[in-house]
Amino acid sequence: GQNIDQPTEMTATEGAIVQINCTYQTSGFNGLFWYQQHAGEAPTFLSYNVLDGLEEKGRFSSFLSRSKGYSYLLLKELQMKDSASYLCAVRDIGAGKSTFGDGTTLTVKP
Amino acid sequence: GAGVSQSPSNKVTEKGKDVELRCDPISGHTALYWYRQSLGQGLEFLIYFQGNSAPDKSGLPSDRFSAERTGGSVSTLTIQRTQQEDSAVYLCASSSDSGGGLTDTQYFGPGTRLTVL
Repeated sequence: GQNIDQPTEMTATEGAIVQINCTYQTSGFNGLFWYQQHAGEAPTFLSYNVLDGLEEKGRFSSFLSRSKGYSYLLLKELQMKDSASYLCAVRDIGAGKSTFGDGTTLTVKP
Repeated sequence: GAGVSQSPSNKVTEKGKDVELRCDPISGHTALYWYRQSLGQGLEFLIYFQGNSAPDKSGLPSDRFSAERTGGSVSTLTIQRTQQEDSAVYLCASSSDSGGGLTDTQYFGPGTRLTVL
């Protein structure tokens, strides 16, 4: 089975940087995804990591350490529209599918 | 091409009635997932189809819930004898396959909001 942990809520200021952490335990890791979900909408894909290190995509970056079972999503130059829930999902070979964490609700304040 | 579509977008039903929710995945996607999401909560996995393999039904909360996927494409989630606690948004997602890598990226439909009175 899997255990995925994320903080429930975070608050940050417009223009700042925020880091959302995700820790996981899995028997057969095969990739980690981050999704963004705005209130009342469906989740959309943000990033994918399978090797250790940082993947950068504009204002968003995602980091993975497989040995530590740890990932983070880094959001720079925060905008009000970044207020959303951020979901970490881990692909486990044994489970044959990805499993989602409960998500972190980020509120960006002016 | 077209994304994942779901119908109806909203469904209001009376307790005890049966409901059917439909999902049309992205054409060519072999993997299809159903999730349930209550207000302010995370995604609750319900069932997963991959190609012609037996579905993973491990997330279905009771035997009132069932799902089919016909012809490897359209899927229907059926809830029998609905209860008030079944009220939630039901999300469907598809991925090109689930063999690992970016092909596991799930594309979600807009969801069906189910309200049981």
